[in-house]
Amino acid sequence: GENVEQHPSTLSVQEGDSAVIKCTYSDSASNYFPWYKQELGKRPQLIIDIRSNVGEKKDQRIAVTLNKTAKHFSLHITETQPEDSAVYFCAASRDTGRRALTFGSGTRLQVQP
Amino acid sequence: NAGVTQTPKFQVLKTGQSMTLQCAQDMNHEYMSWYRQDPGMGLRLIHYSVGAGITDQGEVPNGYNVSRSTTEDFPLRLLSAAPSQTSVYFCASSRDRLALSNQPQHFGDGTRLSIL
Repeated sequence: GENVEQHPSTLSVQEGDSAVIKCTYSDSASNYFPWYKQELGKRPQLIIDIRSNVGEKKDQRIAVTLNKTAKHFSLHITETQPEDSAVYFCAASRDTGRRALTFGSGTRLQVQP
Repeated sequence: NAGVTQTPKFQVLKTGQSMTLQCAQDMNHEYMSWYRQDPGMGLRLIHYSVGAGITDQGEVPNGYNVSRSTTEDFPLRLLSAAPSQTSVYFCASSRDRLALSNQPQHFGDGTRLSIL
């Protein structure tokens, strides 16, 4: 089955700096890669996703890049703000068979004001 | 439109007790799934369903049962609770299993379960 590794496990940045979180996946058939943000005690919430026919996607201060050959994808947050502090999870899935998400282990992002 | 609703929000059980975690969605989603979240381990898939009457196992199915008699409801049953099942449980749903590509999953607020 799919295996998703996520790095780093913790990340501390100064307000205004950029943050980058990286994930690798093992199943070459995976073609959907969402990112979720989870605040303490809350549900995971989708912040951005990318499909395998696209190399990059942006939404305001958030961007995701995908390298299918190397089987890795990254989340980029620019101009970080204290409210960006949360745990971020990457995930991967395929659109055949189980179609379930396999999650990375999460990155705790702390934005220092 | 409530989205995905999970009940209860908190529960404490004794070892050996059974219980059912409820999950309901009002978005007419066909795909529903249950995850457990443990510290440092992300979310792991327990069971999932691609439509009413169809269920299948995920990564960590042992000790849990599910059924899907309607599109809206997907209850998770703990047969005989064990301390290792102490976790936060999330139910999720997404739109259409026949869609050409995967759809984003919508999560409920979670059930925090403690087994003594």
